[in-house]
Amino acid sequence: DIQMTQSPSTLSASVGDRVTITCRASQSISIWLAWYQQKPGKAPKLLIYRASSLESGVPSRFSGSGSGTEFTLTISSLQPDDFATYYCQHYNTYSTFGQGTKVEIK
Amino acid sequence: QVQVVQSGAEVKKPGASVKVSCKASGYTFSGYAINWVRQAPGQRLEWVGWINAGDGKTKYSEKFQGRVTITRDTSASTVYMEMSSLRSEDTALYYCTRGIWERSGWYYFDCWGQGTLVTVSS
Repeated sequence: DIQMTQSPSTLSASVGDRVTITCRASQSISIWLAWYQQKPGKAPKLLIYRASSLESGVPSRFSGSGSGTEFTLTISSLQPDDFATYYCQHYNTYSTFGQGTKVEIK
Repeated sequence: QVQVVQSGAEVKKPGASVKVSCKASGYTFSGYAINWVRQAPGQRLEWVGWINAGDGKTKYSEKFQGRVTITRDTSASTVYMEMSSLRSEDTALYYCTRGIWERSGWYYFDCWGQGTLVTVSS
C-alpha cells in the first residue's frame, strides 16, 4: 500500500498567519490527492480534491498544490474557524490517509 | 441538500456482529457509491469498503475481507455495513461517505455522515 506521511504532526499558529502542511506519498500518485478538515466530535469535511481543486463552498484562503509524491495545503491567512486537524488522502487505485496535522492556537 | 445520516452508537461483545445503517438524501442514490471509513481512537482514518449504489458492486479492504459485508436497499436509499467477529481493536467511529469517482479508479469523499461509535468490550 502507498503510505502517506504528513508534516508537521502539530502546528502552532496565530490568527492571520500563513500556514503550510505537507503530505508525502511513498510512491507517485499523480494528482489523486484530497485534503479534509476535521474538528473535534465532527466528521471530516472535504476541502481540496485532485490536489488543487477547491471544493464548492470552501473559502479561497485554502489552496492545494503538488503532484507525484509531494503535496501541500496552504491556508493564506489563518482564521479562528480554521483551528482543526487536517488529513490528506490519496485515491490512486486505492485509498489511504495521512496521520493528520493538528493546527492549534499559538 | 446532500446528506447521509447514520444509525446510533452500538456496544458489542467480542465475537459478535454489528450492522450500521446510512440513509442518503438530497441526491440520486443510485448515481453514487457509498464508502465506509473508520477512525479508531488516536489512529488515522482507514478505508473499510464501498458499494456502488447503482449496481450493488462491492469492494473491501483486504484487512477486513471476510468480516465485512456492505449491502444496500435502493427503495430506502440506505446502505448497511455489517462487521462480524468483532474484537476490541474494532472499537472506532465508523463513517459512511458519498464517493466521487475519479479517473484514477477510486473515490474521494464529498459528504460524510455524523459517524457511528462502535464499542467492542466484554
